[in-house]
Amino acid sequence: RKEVEQDPGPFNVPEGATVAFNCTYSNSASQSFFWYRQDCRKEPKLLMSVYSSGNEDGRFTAQLNRASQYISLLIRDSKLSDSATYLCVVRGRSNDYKLSFGAGTTVTVRA
Amino acid sequence: EPEVTQTPSHQVTQMGQEVILRCVPISNHLYFYWYRQILGQKVEFLVSFYNNEISEKSEIFDDQFSVERPDGSNFTLKIRSTKLEDSAMYFCASSEFLVETQYFGPGTRLLVL
Repeated sequence: RKEVEQDPGPFNVPEGATVAFNCTYSNSASQSFFWYRQDCRKEPKLLMSVYSSGNEDGRFTAQLNRASQYISLLIRDSKLSDSATYLCVVRGRSNDYKLSFGAGTTVTVRA
Repeated sequence: EPEVTQTPSHQVTQMGQEVILRCVPISNHLYFYWYRQILGQKVEFLVSFYNNEISEKSEIFDDQFSVERPDGSNFTLKIRSTKLEDSAMYFCASSEFLVETQYFGPGTRLLVL
């Protein structure tokens, strides 16, 4: 089983729409969770960390379900600039150095 | 805003040649990482470096790979004898503390012919 699995999409949505997608992780001992954004051929950039109680950053809402081992990201009022690949990222134990990446979910927002 | 920088942005090399990829992490960061991303695939961890030694490495990071912090600012990844399958984007990252956010550099695109 892959460490982090994501629906690759693509999700094609009109501007202003809401789009949501999940990822699942295999290691129940995982401690830290993140959503990174990656534009074509560029580096991953942190979008937001994901906290146990769920958290919001502007139009972006992240949720964590430890029991089912999944993480979700919801984007409200989509903008053209939200078009990107969204990477689900997990760190294992608290003393793990590495980040484990999902393959990414591609979102395309159309005018 | 401080950022991780990497040089070169692109490198083309012949199979069997040695390459050195260079990174300048964010200045007050203590933890350094290399990741790679083969075209169309996910980002994969290679190695982490702290306190002048490797702290964790993946199965990918075999004897052909080495890392070094030759001075107070640079962090390098050396591939001794490149293979075709080493063609990928190589990202350097750094973090201030272990549990803090890892910030990624813009990457070096390596093409092995």
